[in-house]
Amino acid sequence: AQKVTQAQTEISVVEKEDVTLDCVYETRDTTYYLFWYKQPPSGELVFLIRRNSFDEQNEISGRYSWNFQKSTSSFNFTITASQVVDSAVYFCALSYGDNYGQNFVFGPGTRLSVLP
Amino acid sequence: NAGVTQTPKFQVLKTGQSMTLQCAQDMNHNSMYWYRQDPGMGLRLIYYSASEGTTDKGEVPNGYNVSRLNKREFSLRLESAAPSQTSVYFCASSDMAGYSNQPQHFGDGTRLSIL
Repeated sequence: AQKVTQAQTEISVVEKEDVTLDCVYETRDTTYYLFWYKQPPSGELVFLIRRNSFDEQNEISGRYSWNFQKSTSSFNFTITASQVVDSAVYFCALSYGDNYGQNFVFGPGTRLSVLP
Repeated sequence: NAGVTQTPKFQVLKTGQSMTLQCAQDMNHNSMYWYRQDPGMGLRLIYYSASEGTTDKGEVPNGYNVSRLNKREFSLRLESAAPSQTSVYFCASSDMAGYSNQPQHFGDGTRLSIL
């Protein structure tokens, strides 16, 4: 079964703390893609990153970094020195196969609250 | 940059009423999608359209119909609304028909309440 698990339902941190959002996925495919999306309180969904299954190199973008480990089927997201504007729901998603977009599975999301 | 535009943003219906949610994208994307978002469940795919003229069911298609009017527009219709369809609906589009691995660009959502 293809599945994305985000075990952390809600996380609260104080501003400037580092925080890691966990994502564990399941897929039988050898070729797949992983994504992170941010949904701020205003409700829109913002694409953050895409990573394919053949590229395990970690990525850093400003205060954001992603750790992809195929051995543990995880694609974790770390925010360094968190800010109030990081407060949002974050979704991890898995895309697999080539069935014209049908195979795009979202995790249930993690609600991050950054307190001033 | 409009991106993906959904109308309306909010709607309240009575059980049994019908309604069409509109979606248009200006990014020349081939593929378009309709999702619903319910608390604690992430997003679930209702229908998608890989290219103009084609539509296919997703994970939760019951109670919905779609129309891919042209390359830009993809509408979602509720023929007889039920309280279980109370949700936030998102339209999305992506590039490269036939590939599920491109990021999807989302509209701002339609918050629909069925009384």
